[in-house]
Amino acid sequence: QVQLQESGPGLVKPSQTLSLTCTVSGGSISGGSYYWSWIRQPAGKGLEWIGRIYASGSANYNPSLKSRVTISIDTSKNQFSLKLASLTAADTAVYFCARTFYGSGTPDFDYWGLGALVTVSS
Amino acid sequence: QTVVTQEPSLTVSPGGTVTLTCASSTGAVTIYNYLNWVQQKPGQPPRTLIYSTTNKHSWTPARFSGSLLGGKAALTLSGVQPEDEAEYYCLFYYGGDWVFGGGTKVTVL
Repeated sequence: QVQLQESGPGLVKPSQTLSLTCTVSGGSISGGSYYWSWIRQPAGKGLEWIGRIYASGSANYNPSLKSRVTISIDTSKNQFSLKLASLTAADTAVYFCARTFYGSGTPDFDYWGLGALVTVSS
Repeated sequence: QTVVTQEPSLTVSPGGTVTLTCASSTGAVTIYNYLNWVQQKPGQPPRTLIYSTTNKHSWTPARFSGSLLGGKAALTLSGVQPEDEAEYYCLFYYGGDWVFGGGTKVTVL
């Protein structure tokens, strides 16, 4: 059974950089037709796709966040990571990682992490 | 930037049927938008029920179905159960990016 687990600081100061890691267990991050996404959700609000990365390291980002986001992958550790720079209070949210299986041309967000709350505050 | 629109809220009686829709500012929704429908209950992470417009997971109850309807994507719940009360989001693929709809709050009353 594939599991994803987010980890990282729960409190970050304004103007600093958020760093989160998603650890994948029960399967290889570099095996098969998958890519790996970050999604966030401010309290009481909807979901927002942040970006995705393939095992090759190729990444796509939400245009509204692109200037501040970097997603990277470490296949040796079975982890992928999110960095979000120049933080403001508006970046306070629960951050989820998720796997997408795209084999057979039918993309499927099949596994999600439980989420990690990040608060931006001084 | 692509805007994806869902009904903010819908109410349905137990045992009834309700259809949620997902529309795009880019035009008619097609199979190449690979719609995923995601359910989220309070305090829980999202869970995907439908992927690529019509496909179900092993954990998806048979009463949930996905389709294309009049230029939109649709999620139909037939024979609604109290445990179906939740927020439902569509996840839309366009131009290499994914975009979430604003979500539909389904109340079972």
